Parts: sequence; structure tokens; C-alpha cells
Amino acid sequence: GAGVSQTPSNKVTEKGKYVELRCDPISGHTALYWYRQSLGQGPEFLIYFQGTGAADDSGLPNDRFFAVRPEGSVSTLKIQRTERGDSAVYLCASSLGTGVQETQYFGPGTRLLVL
Amino acid sequence: AQRVTQPEKLLSVFKGAPVELKCNYSYSGSPELFWYVQYSRQRLQLLLRHISRESIKGFTADLNKGETSFHLKKPFAQEEDSAMYYCALKGSSNTGKLIFGQGTTLQVKP
Repeated sequence: GAGVSQTPSNKVTEKGKYVELRCDPISGHTALYWYRQSLGQGPEFLIYFQGTGAADDSGLPNDRFFAVRPEGSVSTLKIQRTERGDSAVYLCASSLGTGVQETQYFGPGTRLLVL
Repeated sequence: AQRVTQPEKLLSVFKGAPVELKCNYSYSGSPELFWYVQYSRQRLQLLLRHISRESIKGFTADLNKGETSFHLKKPFAQEEDSAMYYCALKGSSNTGKLIFGQGTTLQVKP
């Protein structure tokens, strides 16, 4: 079946602009995660959803970042007033649940470049 | 604080040589530990998890709570093992949040 998909694959924007990044999880997966990966670093947790609600948003760096998952499936990560430091690969993952044996399946990522 | 440390950015070995990718963690409770791998031009994927105590593609990893380590080992490296490897920690079974190390690039030379 189809894996996690993310759009766009690449996004170039100017400092101060607003961007939206989309994630389509695997069908039936209730848990959805966003991570950010800067160059030379491992993925860094941003937020995770269980169903429609954000169960843990402790990784969002500041209030310019916001994510939604209104119907418990597709999620959108929104970044306001982008800064050059926001440039990174944004990864989405999904899993059936959060139990010990659950596997997170990752998407290909969206590469964001803020000029 | 929860933290994962992978001290080597790059590990280069010859085909057939043993491999050990180091991972140390900091966590006060009972962690769940994972190794993820990213092959060239592919997405990040789970390689193995400590709780399963399994061998995947010849790789094994043992959780050593005394040394707070979860090193990844393979007795005989293959060229197709060349990839980026990330060690990750899940601090609680109530959340899926993963904390990743910085990653180690494994380069297996012919």
C-alpha cells in the first residue's frame, strides 16, 4: 500500500512569508508526528497527534509554528513569518498507535529553504 | 534530560570487517531504544528495536543499562550496509515521541 506522503517535496520561500507543509499518513494510522531535520543533525521532534488532537506539542520552537489535523488523517504544518533558520527538512511519520511494538513510518520529507 | 549521543559522524570500514556503531543515551526511567537507517535517496526506516531482541540484516543491538548504551553491531559488513544510521529513544510508552542522535554515516568500502 501507499506509504506516508508529503507535499511539496521542495519549497523555497522568502523571509517573512507564510508556508504550509502537508502530510498524508498511512490509512488507518491514528498517530502522526512531525520532525525537523537540520543539516548534519538527526530528526528533532516537533509535535504529535493522536487522532485530531495534539497530544504533545512540546517540540514546537515558538508560536510561529502551528499544526492541525482536523479530521484525524491529513495534517498541515504551518509556519508564519518564516526565518532563514527555519530552513530544514520537515519529516512526517505515522503509526497505528504509540505502544511498544508500534513502528513509525516516515515520509520522504519536505525540504524548506528560506531565502 | 533525555538525550541520545552518537559520538562518530563517520565510520569507514572494509567489506567483511566487523562494524560497531556507538549509541549512548541519557534517561532516568526504562527507555525504549531503536535504530533507524536511511539508505541513499530513500526515506528513514526502522532497522530494529531493543525490545524485540532480533537480528535484522545481520545487525544486532543489546541494551546495556549499566553503561546506558545501545550499540549496533554486525560481524561482517557488506557494501549495501552503507547508509546513515540513527539511534533513537522513546522515553515513555504513552507517547510516540522519538529523540534521535545526530547519526553516523557508515561507509563500507569494497
